[in-house]
Amino acid sequence: DVKVTQSSRYLVKRTGEKVFLECVQDMDHENMFWYRQDPGLGLRLIYFSYDVKMKEKGDIPEGYSVSREKKERFSLILESASTNQTSMYLCASSLPPVMNTEAFFGQGTRLTVV
Amino acid sequence: GESVGLHLPTLSVQEGDNSIINCAYSNSASDYFIWYKQESGKGPQFIIDIRSNMDKRQGQRVTVLLNKTVKHLSLQIAATQPGDSAVYFCAETPGGYNKLIFGAGTRLAVHP
Repeated sequence: DVKVTQSSRYLVKRTGEKVFLECVQDMDHENMFWYRQDPGLGLRLIYFSYDVKMKEKGDIPEGYSVSREKKERFSLILESASTNQTSMYLCASSLPPVMNTEAFFGQGTRLTVV
Repeated sequence: GESVGLHLPTLSVQEGDNSIINCAYSNSASDYFIWYKQESGKGPQFIIDIRSNMDKRQGQRVTVLLNKTVKHLSLQIAATQPGDSAVYFCAETPGGYNKLIFGAGTRLAVHP
């Protein structure tokens, strides 16, 4: 069974902390994505990566950075957490666009910044 | 459980009825579209996809219709069941790009 695993289901962090959200996929997918999901706004793309050490900004990259040192792992970093980054974070992976296949999602990490 | 959309439009249907969920997409260059289902506390799951060279595709109990003229996508669920209750998202892929762009979602509530 294909799997995208996010390291934490729930996190509570303080304002100003550096936060790492980890995501691992076991499908050998080239593409990996980080989205945030907020009520009424759907899923908004923060960053995506189409290969190891490659990354592209999504629609809302401000306040975030990412790291892709290995193909199976994609990390989202909040350099200095703020309360407006309280959200549900979803990681996904997929094959390259020429395959036009679905993205597989993890269970999500509910981050609360206090 | 998780609340994934407190302010989403909601479609309420009776068990056994057919459901139609609509989506307007934004980019005329999009060439691939997917419908996802998200149950409470879970990540989105693939339901069905369609390429821009098609206007209809059928799966098991689900049908996706694509109208490129008005940039409209719909998901039809036949004989809706309580297990279909979830938030449904459409997603589009702008041509040549890796990323998926999601709509805001629609909550489907199935009543016995």
